Amino acid sequence: GENVEQHPSTLSVQEGDSAVIKCTYSDSASNYFPWYKQELGKRPQLIIDIRSNVGEKKDQRIAVTLNKTAKHFSLHITETQPEDSAVYFCAASGGNDMRFGAGTRLTVKP
Amino acid sequence: NAGVTQTPKFRVLKTGQSMTLLCAQDMNHEYMYWYRQDPGMGLRLIHYSVGEGTTAKGEVPDGYNVSRLKKQNFLLGLESAAPSQTSVYFCASKQGRQPQHFGDGTRLSIL
Repeated sequence: GENVEQHPSTLSVQEGDSAVIKCTYSDSASNYFPWYKQELGKRPQLIIDIRSNVGEKKDQRIAVTLNKTAKHFSLHITETQPEDSAVYFCAASGGNDMRFGAGTRLTVKP
Repeated sequence: NAGVTQTPKFRVLKTGQSMTLLCAQDMNHEYMYWYRQDPGMGLRLIHYSVGEGTTAKGEVPDGYNVSRLKKQNFLLGLESAAPSQTSVYFCASKQGRQPQHFGDGTRLSIL
């Protein structure tokens, strides 16, 4: 089955700096790659997603890039703010189920 | 619009007890999922369903059973709870190629 690895496990940045989180996947049939943000004690919430027919997608300060050949995708957050502090999960899906990375705890220092 | 509702929100069990977690969605979604979330391990898929009357195993199905008798409900059962099943359980649903929507989670402790 699909295996998703996510790095780093923790990331600390200064407010205003950029943050990058990287994920790799193993199943070449995977074609859908969402990113979720989870605040403490809350549900995971979708922040951006990308499908395999697209190499990059951007939504304001958030962007995701996908390299199908290398089987990796990344989340980029620019101009980070303290409210960006949370745990971020990547995921990959090629059919009916979805596999998640272990998560990255992002801390944005004011 | 309630979305995905999980009951109960919290529960403490003793080893060997049984219980059922309920997930209800009001979005007419075909797909429903049960995950468990443990520190440092992300979300791991337990079981899922692609439609009423169907179920399938995920990554970590052992010790759990599920049923999808009605389209809007997906039940997760623990027949004989074990301390290793202490976790936060999330239900999610989706329609077609759309993203999954998550419930608020059930925090389960087994003593």
